[in-house]
Amino acid sequence: KAGVTQTPRYLIKTRGQQVTLSCSPISGHRSVSWYQQTPGQGLQFLFEYFSETQRNKGNFPGRFSGRQFSNSRSEMNVSTLELGDSALYLCASSLVLAGAQNTEAFFGQGTRLTVV
Amino acid sequence: ELKVEQNPLFLSMQEGKNYTIYCNYSTTSDRLYWYRQDPGKSLESLFVLLSNGAVKQEGRLMASLDTKARLSTLHITAAVHDLSATYFCAVDINFGNEKLTFGTGTRLTIIP
Repeated sequence: KAGVTQTPRYLIKTRGQQVTLSCSPISGHRSVSWYQQTPGQGLQFLFEYFSETQRNKGNFPGRFSGRQFSNSRSEMNVSTLELGDSALYLCASSLVLAGAQNTEAFFGQGTRLTVV
Repeated sequence: ELKVEQNPLFLSMQEGKNYTIYCNYSTTSDRLYWYRQDPGKSLESLFVLLSNGAVKQEGRLMASLDTKARLSTLHITAAVHDLSATYFCAVDINFGNEKLTFGTGTRLTIIP
């Protein structure tokens, strides 16, 4: 069974540009979450999508956005990149079943974004 | 706002020794997770703890949860070099709300 796949793995962008990252969840998983990991701030929640709807959003500026497609694949977009956006962006997928308690988030390998 | 604190932040220990990593959180939680991260790698799920008094063990690692104290521990028994990594606890405060709040992480180094 394939795991969570993120593309690309590495990306270098210039300040002011925009970037789109992609995440393919584990087959059957309908929830996709995005996290930003930096040395200074640690792991921070960006947003979560379920059945093409954003259910939760973290405390990030509007430059960070996302979407989910009908096949559960998700993309996140960062516009007007800043140096501080350099980070490892991790995507996680979960199998969310009604009434189930042991939902577990499985993480992809991440996309390392460097803004210069 | 949910806060999750881990300590210690850094831990250097000799092979064969035992140690415990602590994870405190500020709000009642439905679920607590422990993850491992190797340098430059993603997060590997270690344990999911769902109820008060839950204890899970895998090899030299054992995790427990005390929801009344809002405390989880990750105990390492007879550490080996392969356990060197950064360990994170994460809390999910609302069942069905797939939003994890992570602790700061504990960087564990096992010295041969």
